[in-house]
Amino acid sequence: QIQLVQSGPELKKPGESVKISCKASGYTFTDYAMHWVKQVPGKGLKWMGWINTYTGKPTYADDFKGRFVFSLEASASTANLQISNLKNEDTANVFCAREDYGSGVMDAWGQGASVTVSS
Amino acid sequence: DIQMTQSPASLSASLGETVTIECLASEDIYSNLAWYQQKPGKSPQLLIYDASSLQDGVPSRFSGSESGTQYSLEINSLQSEDAATYFCQQHHDYPYTFGAGTKLELK
Repeated sequence: QIQLVQSGPELKKPGESVKISCKASGYTFTDYAMHWVKQVPGKGLKWMGWINTYTGKPTYADDFKGRFVFSLEASASTANLQISNLKNEDTANVFCAREDYGSGVMDAWGQGASVTVSS
Repeated sequence: DIQMTQSPASLSASLGETVTIECLASEDIYSNLAWYQQKPGKSPQLLIYDASSLQDGVPSRFSGSESGTQYSLEINSLQSEDAATYFCQQHHDYPYTFGAGTKLELK
């Protein structure tokens, strides 16, 4: 069955970096785009951007340009999100979600990765 | 950016009732709208795509419709497992944007 399994919770200090992974299984990794979505606990969903799993090209929403990097380990069917120079406002659950190219619809989601930034 | 104004923010309904959740897009999104259900501590799950197409495996009591830039999610014959937060999402243009969510409570 289709699964997106994300890495575990992270507790970091301001200024540190974090890398979140999203391992896909049950489908051909390069047939679907991978999106990243942020959710502050108890709040709504914010789209961070997406990565073309075939070419590796990332696209970032404006609020996620600069400190955020999407990358791939295609041989391992894994998408990664790295956040550098962490700030308190990065505290959130971050989801990966796949999209059938061109559909715009996220039809399978990871379980979420919790990132807590606190001094 | 396209703004998605979702209402109501919360609602309470009884088992067996029908409820409607709405999203108003700030511009024409040409039916490029999805609805998701999120239960506490879980990830969102796709219910409806392209405004009115039911995702595989989703019960038929969920339906979507549109009128101009107003999109609606209707849930018929409410079941206890429908207690959740519901989000709309436009995928007409980047950045993809979500409504603020509607928390549905069962009485």
